[in-house]
Amino acid sequence: NAGVTQTPKFQVLKTGQSMTLQCAQDMNHNSMYWYRQDPGMGLRLIYYSASEGTTDKGEVPNGYNVSRLNKREFSLRLESAAPSQTSVYFCASQKGGTGDNYGYTFGSGTRLTVV
Amino acid sequence: DQQVKQNSPSLSVQEGRISILNCDYTNSMFDYFLWYKKYPAEGPTFLISISSIKDKNEDGRFTVFLNKSAKHLSLHIVPSQPGDSAVYFCAASGLQGAQKLVFGQGTRLTINP
Repeated sequence: NAGVTQTPKFQVLKTGQSMTLQCAQDMNHNSMYWYRQDPGMGLRLIYYSASEGTTDKGEVPNGYNVSRLNKREFSLRLESAAPSQTSVYFCASQKGGTGDNYGYTFGSGTRLTVV
Repeated sequence: DQQVKQNSPSLSVQEGRISILNCDYTNSMFDYFLWYKKYPAEGPTFLISISSIKDKNEDGRFTVFLNKSAKHLSLHIVPSQPGDSAVYFCAASGLQGAQKLVFGQGTRLTINP
């Protein structure tokens, strides 16, 4: 079973270019999340989707947009990439609901460099 | 404003000894705490968790301790093994909405043979 799949694994963009990071989960989870990991900063929440059809901003949403396409897929879009968006991006999913242990399942990450 | 803090960026421990990783938090609304382990080029994986109604939770070689009055938790690994070398993230959550996790900065643990 695949769990959470992220594509691409690596990407280099020029400043001002746009791209979409894809994420899909096959665990029938309700909630999905996008985090970025930067040295010394840990994992910071960009956007999340508590359930299909809903999205909300996290701690660092500026410069990003998201789409919860269906229950399985949650994409992250950079409309005009900036060097400050150079980071490793992780998608995660969570079953959610009463009694859930809050544990996330993470994808393997997308390493993005903006030059 | 870092709500979850891991003040030690790195820790080096001899194989077979105890590894202790620490985490502090500032938000008293947090009521569930987790530890994740991350190897290079992989996503974090869930390790162990603890609810605020407990002060200790064990799972094999891993034990998490919670001191609510001090807003402090720690992860003990006994005995430490070379495969434990990884980055460890502490995370916290409160009963709000989508159960968002707030992560610390991470501690890189190196187990020396």
